[in-house]
Amino acid sequence: AQSVTQLGSHVSVSEGALVLLRCNYSSSVPPYLFWYVQYPNQGLQLLLKYTSAATLVKGINGFEAEFKKSETSFHLTKPSAHMSDAAEYFCAVVPGYQKVTFGTGTKLQVIP
Amino acid sequence: NAGVTQTPKFRVLKTGQSMTLLCAQDMNHEYMYWYRQDPGMGLRLIHYSVGEGTTAKGEVPDGYNVSRLKKQNFLLGLESAAPSQTSVYFCASSWGVGPYNEQFFGPGTRLTVL
Repeated sequence: AQSVTQLGSHVSVSEGALVLLRCNYSSSVPPYLFWYVQYPNQGLQLLLKYTSAATLVKGINGFEAEFKKSETSFHLTKPSAHMSDAAEYFCAVVPGYQKVTFGTGTKLQVIP
Repeated sequence: NAGVTQTPKFRVLKTGQSMTLLCAQDMNHEYMYWYRQDPGMGLRLIHYSVGEGTTAKGEVPDGYNVSRLKKQNFLLGLESAAPSQTSVYFCASSWGVGPYNEQFFGPGTRLTVL
């Protein structure tokens, strides 16, 4: 069975600092991986996805993630946090053509 | 395009009452999903559909029923609401599975069962 683990339910960073949100997955087949963002009182929207092309994936709003098979990780990063990045972030894994599994989410707080 | 829309946005029910949540998408997606979101638990799949006229159980289907009579609509029903069903419900749709499983979400319905 597939699973996804997001380390840290809450992460705080200063404005302008590096953002690092961790995601580790387990999958018995090559996975497809997604990061979604949820702003308060809204639905989720796609930030970026890995579909077995380039291992470094760039998304919207300056975010990127690197697929590391050896570490079974897909961590989300942004070089410089902005106040507007405050939201909840969800990692999701799709093993092959099976159903998606979402992580439990990480709330990002940006401190001015 | 409106994307994925959900009605209603808020609802308060008494224990034992029934209701239907409506989800509509205008992207011609084959796959549609209903999730519930609870603090600290992420999104949990209730039911899903792989096409018009089909439905299947997800991770937490008990107490819910669904129907997909038209491709663009996916209805979620609560037959006899319980306080444990207090949650935020999200509908989503996608073109396909695997690498095509980018899901588009509605704005959510906040349901409180007293």
